[in-house]
Amino acid sequence: DAKTTQPTSMDCAEGRAANLPCNHSTISGNEYVYWYRQIHSQGPQYIIHGLKNNETNEMASLIITEDRKSSTLILPHATLRDTAVYYCIVRDPNNAGNMLTFGGGTRLMVKP
Amino acid sequence: DAGVIQSPRHEVTEMGQEVTLRCKPISGHNSLFWYRQTMMRGLELLIYFNNNVPIDDSGMPEDRFSAKMPNASFSTLKIQPSEPRDSAVYFCASSPGTAKQYFGPGTRLTVT
Repeated sequence: DAKTTQPTSMDCAEGRAANLPCNHSTISGNEYVYWYRQIHSQGPQYIIHGLKNNETNEMASLIITEDRKSSTLILPHATLRDTAVYYCIVRDPNNAGNMLTFGGGTRLMVKP
Repeated sequence: DAGVIQSPRHEVTEMGQEVTLRCKPISGHNSLFWYRQTMMRGLELLIYFNNNVPIDDSGMPEDRFSAKMPNASFSTLKIQPSEPRDSAVYFCASSPGTAKQYFGPGTRLTVT
């Protein structure tokens, strides 16, 4: 799996957009970008995934650059409950087992 | 849907004792994963099953660890004998055959 690079931590004001970057410069053509988050004392939670096009769901938006070497997860109106560690993972869905390799992630602190 | 169920939620045991962690995946999911999370090493995949068959156990730290999945609705992770360095949060996750995994609440294990 291609490796990802994320900032260790970020702060965001409550009600503002949180933009979490991820670099994946060695991503291959078949690999999707997945985002998970882990709120304190809970298991990781799936947020969103994409291949080439930008994606949006009820939780977030995912913006993938045209060369696919980086992406940004956007929480449009961050709340205190969005404080969590956010993991960016690249994965080829055709590989057996659909294993995920979690890195260090970005610790997002949403402040009042 | 109750989600992934893990038991016990907390386990405190003495070094040398046998520990058994239990997981009930989401009904209909055909993949099951066991992870371990520590401050030092982050979230690590230990083993995963596909259709009740162990596919990759390369993450299992040593022979003291074993995992079974006797049927589609139950899996166990056993540590025998346990050691203080096994103290961690152990997560079980299930998936319907995609990389979108659903995590349980975890079992916090403390070995004294």
